[in-house]
Amino acid sequence: AAGVIQSPRHLIKEKRETATLKCYPIPRHDTVYWYQQGPGQDPQFLISFYEKMQSDKGSIPDRFSAQQFSDYHSELNMSSLELGDSALYFCASSFSASGYTGELFFGEGSRLTVL
Amino acid sequence: GNSVTQMEGPVTLSEEAFLTINCTYTATGYPSLFWYVQYPGEGLQLLLKATKADDKGSNKGFEATYRKETTSFHLEKGSVQVSDSAVYFCALSDKTGGSYIPTFGRGTSLIVHP
Repeated sequence: AAGVIQSPRHLIKEKRETATLKCYPIPRHDTVYWYQQGPGQDPQFLISFYEKMQSDKGSIPDRFSAQQFSDYHSELNMSSLELGDSALYFCASSFSASGYTGELFFGEGSRLTVL
Repeated sequence: GNSVTQMEGPVTLSEEAFLTINCTYTATGYPSLFWYVQYPGEGLQLLLKATKADDKGSNKGFEATYRKETTSFHLEKGSVQVSDSAVYFCALSDKTGGSYIPTFGRGTSLIVHP
């Protein structure tokens, strides 16, 4: 079965540079979530999209922005990168059909290292 | 707000030992509860879930019971294997403002020795 696809899997950037992460949700899933997981930390919710519209916002820095496109893929844009942005970034998707209880399907993550 | 607290790791066990990973939660509504597992180098995968009080979720020999009176959802397995070594995350999901935003615990690393 198709899973959530994230790219790139690994990314190395310098401070103050810009990075873009991509996420392709499971086909027919209508909601995409972005999470940031620092070393030894729990995943922190950044932002979510439902049917291509931003639905909820978590602890996403102002330097970050995200959008969901007409084909449902999503991109997380990070500018003015800081050392503290080094983390594993997960995308997850879900399908909010009747009876949905909140489980997410995660991609394998994109590891960003800022030097 | 919602929060999840789980026991700190790492938890180190020998193969075939009994496993318990404690998880308690705070929620304003009636959340669904989940355990996710993260194997090295991989994303989180749903292990099991329970959607209402007294429900028991089970999968691959793991079990957890939704205890509303103690606000707990402890993960158990009777006999662990080396292949169970991973990080386990307890999570809850509550419908807030029309959408579900899961809240995760900090994760508990499990190391199983042969």
